[in-house]
Amino acid sequence: DAKTTQPNSMESNEEEPVHLPCNHSTISGTDYIHWYRQLPSQGPEYVIHGLTSNVNNRMASLAIAEDRKSRTLILHRATLRDAAVYYCILREYNYGQNFVFGPGTRLSVLP
Amino acid sequence: DTEVTQTPKHLVMGMTNKKSLKCEQHMGHRAMYWYKQKAKKPPELMFVYSYEKLSINESVPSRFSPECPNSSLLNLHLHALQPEDSALYLCASSSDGDHEQYFGPGTRLTVT
Repeated sequence: DAKTTQPNSMESNEEEPVHLPCNHSTISGTDYIHWYRQLPSQGPEYVIHGLTSNVNNRMASLAIAEDRKSRTLILHRATLRDAAVYYCILREYNYGQNFVFGPGTRLSVLP
Repeated sequence: DTEVTQTPKHLVMGMTNKKSLKCEQHMGHRAMYWYKQKAKKPPELMFVYSYEKLSINESVPSRFSPECPNSSLLNLHLHALQPEDSALYLCASSSDGDHEQYFGPGTRLTVT
């Protein structure tokens, strides 16, 4: 089984970039990594996902290491509304729709 | 409409009660999911329905019984629960198993 690790918490200043790491002890070549975030009293919200190449969307960027064992979520300019728990999720190809959430990183954004 | 709705928002039930949680989406999604989330922990997948058929059951006790009456609705029937089953129960849907999931706000369940 691929085990995902994330830092328990991180802090950022408003308007600064944030790099949220996600590491895997083992990962197969067909396993996608998804990022979701969860604001207080809400369900998780999709942020971004990728397989082998770096990805960009309007919310964030995903940087994938060459060995694919670490994948970093980049918020380019943190805002107060980005304060949330960020989950790195492994979607195991061999298990269809199985989503395995990582432990999550609680991001605090300071004004 | 990119909303997944869940009812009720809160539920308190005794260990001998039978209750149901409901989830609804009108996005035409064909995959629907139930997750359980304990306080300060990540969500854990319980069940996946794909095209109204149960495709994943993550070794969930039989006191939890999912049902998918049609492509828009997902129920979770609860019977003889234990206090340790108290948690936030999240429903999600996706267009298929390969796309992003949209989550509802959850039902906070307390078993007394």
